[in-house]
Amino acid sequence: EVQLVESGGGLVQPGESLRLSCAASGFTFSRYWMTWVRQAPGKGLEWVANINPEGSGKYYADSVKGRFTISRDNAKNSLYLQINSLRVEDTAVYYCARGLTGNVHFYYWGQGTLVTVSS
Amino acid sequence: QSALTQPASVSGSPGQSITISCTGSSSDVGGYDFVSWYQQHPGKAPKLMIYEVSNRPSGVSNRFSGSKSGNTASLTISGLQAEDEADYYCCSYTSSGPLVFGGGTKLTAL
Repeated sequence: EVQLVESGGGLVQPGESLRLSCAASGFTFSRYWMTWVRQAPGKGLEWVANINPEGSGKYYADSVKGRFTISRDNAKNSLYLQINSLRVEDTAVYYCARGLTGNVHFYYWGQGTLVTVSS
Repeated sequence: QSALTQPASVSGSPGQSITISCTGSSSDVGGYDFVSWYQQHPGKAPKLMIYEVSNRPSGVSNRFSGSKSGNTASLTISGLQAEDEADYYCCSYTSSGPLVFGGGTKLTAL
């Protein structure tokens, strides 16, 4: 059974940094694109970033480019999202997700981890 | 990376059919057959309902169907049921960056 479990969220102040993790199990992690999607409270879904199976290709939404870094450790079956210079508008539930194949849809989702940015 | 345009809300009576539209441009919806649709109930993670415009994952009811014409994709739910009441999001691959979501549509089963 495919499982994605996010962790690392919490309450932080503007300007601080945070590292989110996603632990994957039930599939060969190193063969799949992985993606981060976020959802601000009461708002819609926003695609944030994705990374290819090898970790050499990384893509970001314009809204996070330069502040967010996606990475993965295939030996640890883990996906990461480093978030720097946090802003109030980064407050959201962050989901990691995987498609059936490729990177153009998301079949498997984690339960999400909440990041709250507030002073 | 502008969000795709969806109606804020749609409603229908049980047993009826409803359609949710998702309008983009030739750089996203119109340019690629990589449109997907997600259902999200309150407090839950999204669920993939349609991928690559019109394909249903295993386990998704055949009451859900997808299509595309030009720059607009559509999700149709036939035989509306109370359990279909949820938020629905479209998503498309784009030429400028990998993916973009629609703003979401709240479906109410009257």
